[in-house]
Amino acid sequence: GAGVSQSPSNKVTEKGKDVELRCDPISGHTALYWYRQSLGQGLEFLIYFQGNSAPDKSGLPSDRFSAERTGGSVSTLTIQRTQQEDSAVYLCASSLGISRNTEAFFGQGTRLTVV
Amino acid sequence: DQQVKQNSPSLSVQEGRISILNCDYTNSMFDYFLWYKKYPAEGPTFLISISSIKDKNEDGRFTVFLNKSAKHLSLHIVPSQPGDSAVYFCAAPRSNAGNMLTFGGGTRLMVKP
Repeated sequence: GAGVSQSPSNKVTEKGKDVELRCDPISGHTALYWYRQSLGQGLEFLIYFQGNSAPDKSGLPSDRFSAERTGGSVSTLTIQRTQQEDSAVYLCASSLGISRNTEAFFGQGTRLTVV
Repeated sequence: DQQVKQNSPSLSVQEGRISILNCDYTNSMFDYFLWYKKYPAEGPTFLISISSIKDKNEDGRFTVFLNKSAKHLSLHIVPSQPGDSAVYFCAAPRSNAGNMLTFGGGTRLMVKP
């Protein structure tokens, strides 16, 4: 596709359930990032994948959060035993490389609501 | 510890006038800054950036100013247009890995016709 695609666009889940959020980056982009935006907050970095290197998980808020990137393309962010504070918009971005002049392109996000 | 701060959650400006959005940072190691624009239900899009070796970068109606001694940057939009109404985020790379960004909380700009 032409841009970063995320699915679902909206997800409502019950507290304690697991959820999976999907990101399809722009074809050929080696770097992929997950961010989240809680209500009234800025974007918070979660995790970063670059090529075949081990991901940088330093932004994951707890061990309930995990992410994988299969075949260097599609990524899935999994949240286990969801809590109400997990409610946020989860944004995925990809870029052609990691230099600072390389623009990161964001998807439209997945709005997660935990009830 | 919020290393990038945008203290004004919202700003309202008349069409044709100048919009000035401010951003402060605390980490003196930051040496590159970016501004992103976000419309509702869309992802952020890159707007303009500045390296710390400069104090000004201009791109059409958008100019970013950097004051390193004050750890302050600002985005000027002139003239403002109704289509500029959006949330603006300033951001800085967390490391030399360019796009792992630390974002400010955003400022909602409303440009009135």
